[in-house]
Amino acid sequence: AQSVTQLDSHVSVSEGTPVLLRCNYSSSYSPSLFWYVQHPNKGLQLLLKYTSAATLVKGINGFEAEFKKSETSFHLTKPSAHMSDAAEYFCVVSDRAGGDKIIFGKGTRLHILP
Amino acid sequence: DGGITQSPKYLFRKEGQNVTLSCEQNLNHDAMYWYRQDPGQGLRLIYYSQIVNDFQKGDIAEGYSVSREKKESFPLTVTSAQKNPTAFYLCASSIVRGGDYDGYTFGSGTRLTVV
Repeated sequence: AQSVTQLDSHVSVSEGTPVLLRCNYSSSYSPSLFWYVQHPNKGLQLLLKYTSAATLVKGINGFEAEFKKSETSFHLTKPSAHMSDAAEYFCVVSDRAGGDKIIFGKGTRLHILP
Repeated sequence: DGGITQSPKYLFRKEGQNVTLSCEQNLNHDAMYWYRQDPGQGLRLIYYSQIVNDFQKGDIAEGYSVSREKKESFPLTVTSAQKNPTAFYLCASSIVRGGDYDGYTFGSGTRLTVV
């Protein structure tokens, strides 16, 4: 069955230090994977997506993610955190074998410390 | 600029009352969706529609109803049968659903509170 697990519900980092938000997925076929960001009381914005092309995906605002099939992971990273990165981040998986169902992770709230 | 507009931003419902949340898009997307967001639970699919005059139940459709009379519009009615409607509601659209899914465009949400 298709599923996605965000391993941390909260992550705190200091401004200027690296960000790592972890996501593991379960999929019986070749999945498409996405990261979205949500600022308070706003809709979700697509950060980046993996759809079976290059395994290292670059997104907006300096974020990137690497698809690792052997580890079934799609972790989101950024070299240097900025205060404006404070938000909630969602990992999403979609695959045809799952009946074209789109599954959202439960979210990771990123806190940036000054 | 193209996008999705949800209104109102805040909505208050009395016990036993039906309320309707508006969602309009000018992206020419075929598919539209309604999600409910509760703290710590991520997003849960209520209803979705891939073409005009057709829609399907999602994972938590009980107590909700929708219509899709126009491609641009996908209103959600929260009925009195929904016993715990307080939540943040998000509307989204996409070019296709799943498989070749290319990502959603989301509206900015409606926060519904029961008073």
